[in-house]
Amino acid sequence: NAGVTQTPKFRVLKTGQSMTLLCAQDMNHEYMYWYRQDPGMGLRLIHYSVGEGTTAKGEVPDGYNVSRLKKQNFLLGLESAAPSQTSVYFCASSSPGTGNYGYTFGSGTRLTVV
Amino acid sequence: AQKVTQAQTEISVVEKEDVTLDCVYETRDTTYYLFWYKQPPSGELVFLIRRNSFDEQNEISGRYSWNFQKSTSSFNFTITASQVVDSAVYFCALSEARTGNQFYFGTGTSLTVIP
Repeated sequence: NAGVTQTPKFRVLKTGQSMTLLCAQDMNHEYMYWYRQDPGMGLRLIHYSVGEGTTAKGEVPDGYNVSRLKKQNFLLGLESAAPSQTSVYFCASSSPGTGNYGYTFGSGTRLTVV
Repeated sequence: AQKVTQAQTEISVVEKEDVTLDCVYETRDTTYYLFWYKQPPSGELVFLIRRNSFDEQNEISGRYSWNFQKSTSSFNFTITASQVVDSAVYFCALSEARTGNQFYFGTGTSLTVIP
């Protein structure tokens, strides 16, 4: 099925460890995003990309890095995980100029940092 | 400042009751888009509706209806004859033409429908 695929779906990290979350989309969307969802706070934008090779900071970028080496993939890295990064992470993709019609979310990655 | 406010944190209704979820937004753009998403206990985000700022027509889809009022900057969502399967967290979101495709989410309303 076409859409946005996130891997892994679950992960437990120890404080200080690093990891990369992978987001892949097969809809040829130009834009991709990483959000985090915390209880009582809705989703907040971490980083986003408007095209291959470009990235930009969102509302809560600290402690994360991203890369968009291929149009279909958007990677989110945690350099040194902290308990405050325990969250559910959602990737999304969209096309420009469509008024966000077709904005598609992945199914989420639940990350726990202990 | 919060761009999207969902003042109702939790709502409980008895099955078959009607329920309205409130959403108030803030933007200076004349072109913007409003959305509602449902997040069931399984965790995925389910798209419900998209509305652009130039279309104030209310919409009905089955038991769901949406009331968009620019005069009060509100985009409320009503579920008629609620069912247990409607139990979920519902998010209202805004995207502005000026800031591109970024979404601003409300904090969500957790709806519990009691059988």
